Amino acid sequence: SQQGEEDPQALSIQEGENATMNCSYKTSINNLQWYRQNSGRGLVHLILIRSNEREKHSGRLRVTLDTSKKSSSLLITASRAADTASYFCATNRGNNRLAFGKGNQVVVIP
Amino acid sequence: GAGVSQSPRYKVAKRGQDVALRCDPISGHVSLFWYQQALGQGPEFLTYFQNEAQLDKSGLPSDRFFAERPEGSVSTLKIQRTQQEDSAVYLCASSLAWGQDYGYTFGSGTRLTVV
Repeated sequence: SQQGEEDPQALSIQEGENATMNCSYKTSINNLQWYRQNSGRGLVHLILIRSNEREKHSGRLRVTLDTSKKSSSLLITASRAADTASYFCATNRGNNRLAFGKGNQVVVIP
Repeated sequence: GAGVSQSPRYKVAKRGQDVALRCDPISGHVSLFWYQQALGQGPEFLTYFQNEAQLDKSGLPSDRFFAERPEGSVSTLKIQRTQQEDSAVYLCASSLAWGQDYGYTFGSGTRLTVV
């Protein structure tokens, strides 16, 4: 079974609002990564959080990791139309195989 | 080049035909990965190279799938006797080094349609 499963929801928000999406996984991990994929394109690495970290920031992105609950969240603040994409979480258990979830579609309305 | 380059971008194959998909990783990247992404799904791991060594091929769905990276740079994913269920986007990714704390750089993928 896949590691890394996002809440299977599609988000539709107004530009300027915040967008939050969640990811859960089943077994222990070394790190968790978030990727963005625009339609018809490859994945873009956004942020990596190690298993001993609880929170990480990168620009308008904030990622949290709760290893006791085996869950992570990605927050995009002050969303822009260009943030419209699918967002995937992926877990690394130390075997160099990233396990991806099914993705979370975010639509930012200008 | 500046990124991971994949070719062709689109490939239509008749069922039973053999196809070869190419990946040019970022120069100097040691690790190279192939993933398969079905429509509406997340990418699924196929295989992993460290330089020219194929260290993990456990994700290849059948013996019709074969990958190589003979000189530790360009990689080719070959699918023999294609079937309709092989239709997917095939993504290649590279990473600077072996290890768990590096993000991957993905190419734009090859969309394979088997008719």
